[in-house]
This record gives sequence, structure tokens and C-alpha cells, in this order.
Amino acid sequence: KAGVTQTPRYLIKTRGQQVTLSCSPISGHRSVSWYQQTPGQGLQFLFEYFSETQRNKGNFPGRFSGRQFSNSRSEMNVSTLELGDSALYLCASSLEGQGPLGYTFGSGTRLTVV
Amino acid sequence: GDSVTQMEGPVTLSEEAFLTINCTYTATGYPSLFWYVQYPGEGLQLLLKATKADDKGSNKGFEATYRKETTSFHLEKGSVQVSDSAVYFCALSDSPASGGSYIPTFGRGTSLIVHP
Repeated sequence: KAGVTQTPRYLIKTRGQQVTLSCSPISGHRSVSWYQQTPGQGLQFLFEYFSETQRNKGNFPGRFSGRQFSNSRSEMNVSTLELGDSALYLCASSLEGQGPLGYTFGSGTRLTVV
Repeated sequence: GDSVTQMEGPVTLSEEAFLTINCTYTATGYPSLFWYVQYPGEGLQLLLKATKADDKGSNKGFEATYRKETTSFHLEKGSVQVSDSAVYFCALSDSPASGGSYIPTFGRGTSLIVHP
């Protein structure tokens, strides 16, 4: 079966711009979680969506937002980009109730802010 | 709050050497513990898990035992291969978040480099 697909794989943006990243989960998975991965902080939880509703949110500023569509695909948006937003953004999908036991991660979107 | 501490890398070994990557945790409840592996250019994959004290998780020759008395979950492999070169993340999942789902806490990852 197809895995979790994240697009684009690489992005270069300028400070102040905004960016939208996409995540298509495994068919049948209705929960999508987003993580920011940096060398200094490791993996940090951004948010989790289930059935088009944000169920949990991590400790990130309001510039980071997301949504989920009826087909379970999810997008995250970062506005007014800062240099510190440069990171690998990972999404993970799972069946409802499985949490990390059932996570399947995508390969990530590498965002570079210049 | 919950936290996971992993040994800093990189860990550099020769093929067939014994591997240990240390992981200790702090949690308020009785967490489930996980090891994930991230190969270059890929996302994380669940390597093994343990859900209660004294459980041993194992997969692909890797093992880790849930030690409640020492709050540890060290990853071991008896004989590493070049293909094991990757970043390894220890993680825990404790009580559910406000939204009712379980959000794992990850360690910062340990890079393993295996030379032929």
C-alpha cells in the first residue's frame, strides 16, 4: 500500500514569506500529526488532526497553523517565516486511537529559510 | 513534564561490533517506550516497543528492556551491519493529552555510523 506522502520534499523560502506543506496519509488513516525536526531540538510536536479537527497542539507560535480535509489529507502553514523555522517537517499518520504505536511517518519536507 | 535523554552521538562502530545506545526517561505515569530509526533521507520507522516494566521489545536483531527501577530503555544489538547506519530515537508515550490522544516525547536522537 502507498505510504505517507509529503510534498514538496525541499523548499527554499525567504524570511517573511509564508509556506504551505502537504501530507497525504495512508489510506484509512484518519489521524495526522506534524513534527518539526531540528538538530538542536530534535523532534517537537506541532499539532494533531483527526476528522478535520485539531485535537492537540504543541507549544509553537500562532504563525504555525494547519488543517485537515475530508479525505484526511493535511496541510500545515507557516506565515512570516523566520530563519529559525528552517527544519525538516515530518508528518505521521495513524489509525484512530493507535497513537505512536501505529505511526507511519512520511519522508518529510526540508524547509530552508534564507 | 516528561522527558527522554539519549546518549550523544555519533556512535561509530566497526561491522559486527556490539551496540548499546543509552536512553533514560522521566515520566509522571507508566509510559510506553519506543525506539524509532531514521535512515538517511527518510522518515522515522518504529523499530521496537515495550508497554510495561520488564517487557523486552525486539526487532531485526535489536533489543531493549523496559527497566522501571532505573527508568531506562537501552537499545542493544549483538552484531551491527553497515546497513544499520541511521539515527535512532528513543521515545515515550505517557498519559493522554488534553485531546484524548497520546503524544510521544522524543529524545534528540543518536547517530550510528557503522564502518565495513
